[in-house]
Amino acid sequence: DQQVKQNSPSLSVQEGRISILNCDYTNSMFDYFLWYKKYPAEGPTFLISISSIKDKNEDGRFTVFLNKSAKHLSLHIVPSQPGDSAVYFCAGLNSGSRLTFGEGTQLTVNP
Amino acid sequence: DAGVIQSPRHEVTEMGQEVTLRCKPISGHNSLFWYRQTMMRGLELLIYFNNNVPIDDSGMPEDRFSAKMPNASFSTLKIQPSEPRDSAVYFCASSLAESMNTEAFFGQGTRLTVV
Repeated sequence: DQQVKQNSPSLSVQEGRISILNCDYTNSMFDYFLWYKKYPAEGPTFLISISSIKDKNEDGRFTVFLNKSAKHLSLHIVPSQPGDSAVYFCAGLNSGSRLTFGEGTQLTVNP
Repeated sequence: DAGVIQSPRHEVTEMGQEVTLRCKPISGHNSLFWYRQTMMRGLELLIYFNNNVPIDDSGMPEDRFSAKMPNASFSTLKIQPSEPRDSAVYFCASSLAESMNTEAFFGQGTRLTVV
């Protein structure tokens, strides 16, 4: 049972434009949602999170939107930079700090 | 702190051999997680420990996989016997479970190749 789904395995955008990464979930018990970024040969690193009682959280160029009725969240990066090229994982967090990840989306930002 | 430390970084082994992956979590963290990264399923949780006690091992694929955490600063993931389909990158992560908004900190992973 894939509780967190990232249906787009890859996304390519031009430098300076907006990147929108999408994530769907099925588990209504998640308390938080987190985005992680992963570069090749490195472990994932935390990027931004949102509480399940919020609908938006912004941190610099990164904004996460949560639509609970649709069980959907998205990560917006604007403006996109070549250094943002990485795999982005969406994750749901429930009690006991258990993270459930999606499959990941490879973002490529072209100069 | 040096972060989560995993060893080895790379492991190549023959089918049927025993493989042991090691992890040192961040000092003071009380939750430890083992993940496996595959193309099809992304980051799969294999098992997680809280205060050195296994809480959820439902992600462990089969009896060939076992994990231990003998103390707060060390954990192992063992595969015996290993099979080619076990080839993947295995990540260890740790977190401080007191805060609900806590993120997990990942090690650099062990790339396992079973031939």
